[in-house]
Amino acid sequence: QVQLQESGPGLVKPSGTLSLICGVSAGTISSNWWSWVRQSPGKGLEWIGEIYYSGTTKYNPSLKSRVTISIDESKNQFSLRLSSVTAADTAIYYCARSAHVLVGTAIMSWLDPWGQGIRVTVSS
Amino acid sequence: QSVLTQPPSVSAAPGQKVTISCSGSSSNIGNNYVSWYQQLPGAAPKLLIYDNTKRPSGIPDRFSGSKSGTSATLGITGLQTGDEADYYCETWDSGLSAGRVFGGGTKLTVL
Repeated sequence: QVQLQESGPGLVKPSGTLSLICGVSAGTISSNWWSWVRQSPGKGLEWIGEIYYSGTTKYNPSLKSRVTISIDESKNQFSLRLSSVTAADTAIYYCARSAHVLVGTAIMSWLDPWGQGIRVTVSS
Repeated sequence: QSVLTQPPSVSAAPGQKVTISCSGSSSNIGNNYVSWYQQLPGAAPKLLIYDNTKRPSGIPDRFSGSKSGTSATLGITGLQTGDEADYYCETWDSGLSAGRVFGGGTKLTVL
C-alpha cells in the first residue's frame, strides 16, 4: 500500500518561498500523477496542482504564477514551491496520488491515498 | 466561493439515512466523473467514492454515490457516530480554467 509523507518547514516568512517535499514509500512514483492540495484554517480543500512522473504539470490557475511542482524519480519524491507567500497561504498542505483518466470525452479523477498533511504558517 | 456547491451542514440520528448534494455545471460534473472524500476531525481526507458510484476496497456499502446531469449525491445509510465528518465532492473541470475542483464541504452531524 503506497504511503505518502509531507516534510518541510512549518514556518515561512511573508514574501518568502514555501518549499515542501512529499516522499512516496511502498510504491513507485513512476506511471502516476501526484498532487498537492491545501486546506486553510477552518476552510475547504483547494487543489494546488499536480505532476506526472514524466514531468508534465497542471496548476490551479489562481496559483499558477507562484507555483512550481517538480519530481525526483531517483528519490521517489515530488516537491512543491510556492513563492511570494502571504498570510493567506497559511494552511495544512497535503500530497496525494492522483488520477485523471480520459474515458471517451469524460474525465475520471480521484485522489488516493493522501499524506497526513503538514501545517505551514506564514508569519514574521 | 467553490466551483461545486454543497450544503454547509446536514444532520440525522443514528441509524437513519442522509444525503449530501453537490451541484456543478456542464464543464465539470455534467461531463466528468465525481469523487467523494470523508475527512474525520483532525485527519487527512480519505477517498470514499470514485467514478460517481464506485467504492474503494474497505469502504462499507452504507456509502453510495450517484450522479444526474450536473449534480451528484452522496448517500449514507445506517448512520453511526463515527460517520461525523466533513464530506467533499470533487471532479475535473474541463472549462477555460481546466483543473481539479472541490465542493465547499458538508459537515455531517449524527445527533
